[in-house]
Amino acid sequence: AQSVTQLGSHVSVSEGALVLLRCNYSSSVPPYLFWYVQYPNQGLQLLLKYTTGATLVKGINGFEAEFKKSETSFHLTKPSAHMSDAAEYFCAVTSTKAAGNKLTFGGGTRVLVKP
Amino acid sequence: DAGITQSPRHKVTETGTPVTLRCHQTENHRYMYWYRQDPGHGLRLIHYSYGVKDTDKGEVSDGYSVSRSKTEDFLLTLESATSSQTSVYFCAVRDRGGQPQHFGDGTRLSIL
Repeated sequence: AQSVTQLGSHVSVSEGALVLLRCNYSSSVPPYLFWYVQYPNQGLQLLLKYTTGATLVKGINGFEAEFKKSETSFHLTKPSAHMSDAAEYFCAVTSTKAAGNKLTFGGGTRVLVKP
Repeated sequence: DAGITQSPRHKVTETGTPVTLRCHQTENHRYMYWYRQDPGHGLRLIHYSYGVKDTDKGEVSDGYSVSRSKTEDFLLTLESATSSQTSVYFCAVRDRGGQPQHFGDGTRLSIL
């Protein structure tokens, strides 16, 4: 079984400050990990993914995440928050062993950016 | 853009009525998924399909059925809608293993 925990359902950051969103996963086999962003009244958009290889992955809009196997974590960061980063962010896990490569999502973290 | 169209985008209906949501894709993706999104729960998988006429249950499949008679269409049916099925429903598609899923814009369903 696989699971995802996102620490903090709401995060508030000042414009220009570091954005750090935490994601811990549980998987009995090597995971594939994803971060998605959802803007109001829209679907989910892929930010970045980790499958194999380099553990630091870069995504769109200046975001990056680091896969740490020993910590079972895949935290999302952005050095300097913009107002446009206000959205909800979801971490998700799957694996080659998951039937249909089903994704398991965390509960989401809503980011508020203060001017 | 993964060529996904969900219809309708909004629907209000009454308890006990049947409801069908449609997901249409134009890029010949093999895998298709239906999720529901509720506050605090993220997205939860209802059903998925791995080919024409090939479907399987997800974690919250009770009260839902699906059909896929053509590669491009994946239908989600609520046989007798209940208020607990009020939610936002998302369709997603995927190709090969390890590739990310791509999502439609969602259907907001309210059951009164």
